[in-house]
Amino acid sequence: QVQLVESGGGVVQPGRSLRLSCAVSGFTLNDYPMHWVRQAPGKGLEWVAVVSDDGTSQYYTDSVRGRFTISRDNSKNTLYLRMNSLTVEDTALYYCAREAPEEVAGIDYWGQGTLVTVSS
Amino acid sequence: DIQMTQSPSSVSASVGDRVTITCRASHSISNWLAWYQQKPGKAPKFLIFDASSLQSGVPSRFSGSGSGTDFSLTISSLQPEDFATYYCQQTNRFPLTFGGGTRVEIK
Repeated sequence: QVQLVESGGGVVQPGRSLRLSCAVSGFTLNDYPMHWVRQAPGKGLEWVAVVSDDGTSQYYTDSVRGRFTISRDNSKNTLYLRMNSLTVEDTALYYCAREAPEEVAGIDYWGQGTLVTVSS
Repeated sequence: DIQMTQSPSSVSASVGDRVTITCRASHSISNWLAWYQQKPGKAPKFLIFDASSLQSGVPSRFSGSGSGTDFSLTISSLQPEDFATYYCQQTNRFPLTFGGGTRVEIK
């Protein structure tokens, strides 16, 4: 079955960096674009970034562009999110998520999330 | 960026009730709209794509409608497992954006 398992979250000081990973199984990673979506404590969902199936294209939400980098290693079945210059506003549960197959516009599988807390 | 506005922010309803949630886009998105359900402590669940197409395995009591800027999600007969928060998401262009969510609570 499809599984997405995030790791790498933790407590980090403002201005520091963190790299999240998402290990996937149960499907062929290089067939799918992949997303990161975050959710601040008690708040709604915020889409963060997407990377194309071959890793050549990326898009970001405005608040993270230039600070975050989404990437993937299809040979390792792993998605990444490099986060630099973190601020308290980046505190959230970060979900790794799979884009649905062609002809279906949406996100069909989600991990359970990894919590990032930015605090001094 | 396309802004998505959901209403109401919360609704109280009873089992068996018909519930409708609305979502408005700041620009026309044709039918590029998805709906998700999220229960406390859980990841979101994909319900509907292309505004009205039911994702595989989703009960038929869920339905979606709309196009352009105005959309709705209807639960025809609310079941105990449907008490959750619902989010719309535009899939028309990047950056993708979600609505603020609608919490469906037990009356």
